Amino acid sequence: NAGVTQTPKFQVLKTGQSMTLQCAQDMNHNSMYWYRQDPGMGLRLIYYSASEGTTDKGEVPNGYNVSRLNKREFSLRLESAAPSQTSVYFCASSEENSGGNIQYFGAGTRLSVL
Amino acid sequence: RKEVEQDPGPFNVPEGATVAFNCTYSNSASQSFFWYRQDCRKEPKLLMSVYSSGNEDGRFTAQLNRASQYISLLIRDSKLSDSATYLCVVNRGTGGFKTIFGAGTRLFVKA
Repeated sequence: NAGVTQTPKFQVLKTGQSMTLQCAQDMNHNSMYWYRQDPGMGLRLIYYSASEGTTDKGEVPNGYNVSRLNKREFSLRLESAAPSQTSVYFCASSEENSGGNIQYFGAGTRLSVL
Repeated sequence: RKEVEQDPGPFNVPEGATVAFNCTYSNSASQSFFWYRQDCRKEPKLLMSVYSSGNEDGRFTAQLNRASQYISLLIRDSKLSDSATYLCVVNRGTGGFKTIFGAGTRLFVKA
């Protein structure tokens, strides 16, 4: 069972270049998320999708766009990369049950913008 | 002030020690609580949920004090394999977009 799969694992960009991070989950979850993680900051929500066909901004959406292609896939696009976007990016999907919202993460993408 | 605060550590402990992590949250409407574990250069993974009555999973015990808005994680008989960062996680309401992650407390267990 693959869970949440992210590609690529590593990427180096020059300032101004664009790229798309891909994410797919096979757990039939409705909700999917993109986070960035920076030292001392914890995980910060960039965008989320509560269901297929819907997307909403999170805490730090500037400089990013997303697409919920279908129930399985949720991509994150950087149109014009900036050094401030150097970070580790995690995709997640979640299930909601009586115990709350539990999130399952992909292995992450380490992005450096030079 | 951060909505979920944790001591960043690092905590350096010998094998076999008992170590406690604390976490405070500021939103009194928070509904559910978790501890996640994140190994170095890996993704976060759910360690355990935290229930109002307290709960235990092997060597791990989680406690919640809603009045003080405080969550704790106790690890007994620490193992080398417990070395990781422990994230305190709070759901402010229904929906994953209301999930707030603490910055984590780093633990090093030494032989």
